[in-house]
Amino acid sequence: QTVVTQEPSFSVSPGGTVTLTCGLSSGSVSTSYYPSWYQQTPGQAPRTLIYTTNTRSSGVPDRFSGSILGNKAALTITGAQADDESDYYCVLYMGSGISVFGGGTKLTVL
Amino acid sequence: EVQLVESGGGLIQPGGSLRLSCAASGFTVSSSYMNWVRQAPGKGLEWLSVIYSGGSTYYADSVKGRFTISRDKSKNTLYLQMNSLRAEDTAVYYCARDTPIAYWGQGTLVTVSS
Repeated sequence: QTVVTQEPSFSVSPGGTVTLTCGLSSGSVSTSYYPSWYQQTPGQAPRTLIYTTNTRSSGVPDRFSGSILGNKAALTITGAQADDESDYYCVLYMGSGISVFGGGTKLTVL
Repeated sequence: EVQLVESGGGLIQPGGSLRLSCAASGFTVSSSYMNWVRQAPGKGLEWLSVIYSGGSTYYADSVKGRFTISRDKSKNTLYLQMNSLRAEDTAVYYCARDTPIAYWGQGTLVTVSS
């Protein structure tokens, strides 16, 4: 069974840049997996940031960007702010109707 | 404006059944790809099921054979029928639109416990 991998935790300084990644336990992530990214703070529903690799959802600041880096999907936050401290999840479409979320990355801004 | 409002959660005994509803507004459920996603306490997101606009349905292995996704065109509502519930099904259940997901509801809590 294919596992979608994310860094369990990451830390960034205010104003800094951080890149979170989304990979596969076996194989490479491409645009064909329609990688998408979600932000979630405790007690809240997820918020869509990026879908289909690099399309920002309505209202999402342009300091959030998505891409493919090497064999993984990536979410880059440029100019990190205190309220970016959240959990970030990626999801990949595996085909045949099936989607799989990564385990999430807990981002700390300090 | 797209809105998704889940309901139907609550406390249920192991082995029991529950039906979740997701009332939609601002768009047509039957013309959209609609998903169910859950999040166990302190855990990550888990995709469960999708129903395509054409009616095809797909499930994660963890719920296949126990959960059924469906929709009611007249009520513009998505459903998740959950049978043979287990303690590990305890979670907040979200409905979500599109694949990949673009819109989320606020979730409804299901607690499976005796």
